Amino acid sequence: GAGVSQSPSNKVTEKGKDVELRCDPISGHTALYWYRQRLGQGLEFLIYFQGNSAPDKSGLPSDRFSAERTGESVSTLTIQRTQQEDSAVYLCASSPPKGSSTGELFFGEGSRLTVL
Amino acid sequence: QKEVEQNSGPLSVPEGAIASLNCTYSDRVSQSFFWYRQYSGKSPELIMSIYSNGDKEDGRFTAQLNKASQYVSLLIRDSQPSDSATYLCAVKGKYGNKLVFGAGTILRVKS
Repeated sequence: GAGVSQSPSNKVTEKGKDVELRCDPISGHTALYWYRQRLGQGLEFLIYFQGNSAPDKSGLPSDRFSAERTGESVSTLTIQRTQQEDSAVYLCASSPPKGSSTGELFFGEGSRLTVL
Repeated sequence: QKEVEQNSGPLSVPEGAIASLNCTYSDRVSQSFFWYRQYSGKSPELIMSIYSNGDKEDGRFTAQLNKASQYVSLLIRDSQPSDSATYLCAVKGKYGNKLVFGAGTILRVKS
């Protein structure tokens, strides 16, 4: 596609349920990032993929959070046993291969998660 | 100390004035610096990148970098009400690919 695509755009869930958020990066972009943005706050780094591997998972807040990427394209962020503090917009971004870019990220429109 | 710090604002400027947005960073070996603009309810979009000390101009926007002082700024000339948004400073270190964002500065341009 032309841009980074994320789904669902909005998700309301009950505390304790599991959720899956999907990201489809720009075609040819080898790097993929997940960030979290709570209301009125900045972007909090969660995880970075280069191809299918995740060299930096340092931002995942707890073991309830996991992410995978298959086929150097689609990525899924899974949050198990959701808590109210998980409520936020989850932003996915991709960037072209090293050497062909200067490191800028292209963001999707985000998935807004509300945990009741 | 936060890795990337910005004044949260809001910074209010009249239409046509110069808006000056500032950012400091803690990792001395950082190499790449970015300014993103985020309209309310929208995702961030890149407006400027800078990699060397000095100024870089693009239209009404000028990014300034001073690595010795670990300081990055963004100047917006002839500010317009459509420039009203949150401006996010982002820094990429020498090692790894993580882009660390500041909390953002809210800019309000009043007509």
